[in-house]
Amino acid sequence: ILNVEQSPQSLHVQEGDSTNFTCSFPSSNFYALHWYRWETAKSPEALFVMTLNGDEKKKGRISATLNTKEGYSYLYIKGSQPEDSATYLCASVNFNKFYFGSGTKLNVKP
Amino acid sequence: EAQVTQNPRYLITVTGKKLTVTCSQNMNHEYMSWYRQDPGLGLRQIYYSMNVEVTDKGDVPEGYKVSRKEKRNFPLILESPSPNQTSLYFCASSKTLGTGGVEQYFGPGTRLTVT
Repeated sequence: ILNVEQSPQSLHVQEGDSTNFTCSFPSSNFYALHWYRWETAKSPEALFVMTLNGDEKKKGRISATLNTKEGYSYLYIKGSQPEDSATYLCASVNFNKFYFGSGTKLNVKP
Repeated sequence: EAQVTQNPRYLITVTGKKLTVTCSQNMNHEYMSWYRQDPGLGLRQIYYSMNVEVTDKGDVPEGYKVSRKEKRNFPLILESPSPNQTSLYFCASSKTLGTGGVEQYFGPGTRLTVT
């Protein structure tokens, strides 16, 4: 079993704040790192898939970086909005298997 | 519309009564997977399939079976359900993992309760 850790477990911010979360994963046998956004009562939706050390991806106000040598990825949200409230999951892919962290639950207050 | 469907969405059953949760995708994806989600834990992979007739165990395969006879379908079978299999189940699919850089699409989830 591969240990993927996310921090913090939960986060409460005010509308307009920028925030970031961390995903840590074993760097050996690394294949890919996925980020998903999961709203309550819905299914997880893919945000980013990253494979190369130093990768940076951006989608609107959300961006992510990847460091495969030290085994971590950051997800950044700039100017948080109430609609950003969700649980953000990361998953490391090794030998065709997915290993998910337990998620960071973000609550953005208006 | 590209989608992953699961049925049933909700199921309450009794210990020992065999059940099947169906999963179907219309995107011609090679890779399909089943996960379970329990409070305080992340999604845990039960089984996955790289293509037709190719299946393999994930992290928590005990008590489950799968089959992949057609590319679009990947049913999850619980031969003798037990209360510890009460959970929220997700099916997901993606194009072949290749270098691992391909996103997964998730079904709507099946909430299973075993009494």
